[in-house]
Amino acid sequence: AQSVTQLDSQVPVFEEAPVELRCNYSSSVSVYLFWYVQYPNQGLQLLLKYLSGSTLVKGINGFEAEFNKSQTSFHLRKPSVHISDTAEYFCAVSSSNYKLTFGKGTLLTVNP
Amino acid sequence: DAGVIQSPRHEVTEMGQEVTLRCKPISGHDYLFWYRQTMMRGLELLIYFNNNVPIDDSGMPEDRFSAKMPNASFSTLKIQPSEPRDSAVYFCASSLTGTGKGEQYFGPGTRLTVT
Repeated sequence: AQSVTQLDSQVPVFEEAPVELRCNYSSSVSVYLFWYVQYPNQGLQLLLKYLSGSTLVKGINGFEAEFNKSQTSFHLRKPSVHISDTAEYFCAVSSSNYKLTFGKGTLLTVNP
Repeated sequence: DAGVIQSPRHEVTEMGQEVTLRCKPISGHDYLFWYRQTMMRGLELLIYFNNNVPIDDSGMPEDRFSAKMPNASFSTLKIQPSEPRDSAVYFCASSLTGTGKGEQYFGPGTRLTVT
């Protein structure tokens, strides 16, 4: 079985500050890792994914994430956030099958 | 492409009534997923289809829930009878591949309120 833990349910930051959203996973097999973003009253949208290769993955809107196998982590970072980044962020894991297992989400609130 | 389309966007119904949620996946996507999102349980996979065939419905909470996919461009999720604890946002998603590597494209969701 696989599971995802997002360590912070809410992260408030000021505009132009850096941010890190933490994600840890557990799985008995090799995994694929994803970050999705959900803006208010919308569906989820893929930010980035790790399938293999370089452990640093770059996504849309200036976000990046680093896969750390030894720490079973896949933390999401952005060096300078904007008001428009306010949203809920979901970390997800899948293995060789179809099933995406999501974390509970982290609400990022960017304040002026 | 218009993306995944869901209807209605909002549904308010009384306990005991039948509710039908609809989804049109992205054309050419062979996989369709139904999720439920609640504050308490987060995002849960209810059922998924491959080429219109239900593959895994282990996430369907109970017999009151049923899902169909009569053709490649349409799926329904039905709740009969509905209960207040079914109140949630229901998402439909589609994907080109079910290998676990592929991106899932989500619709805007249907917010269901059962009173």
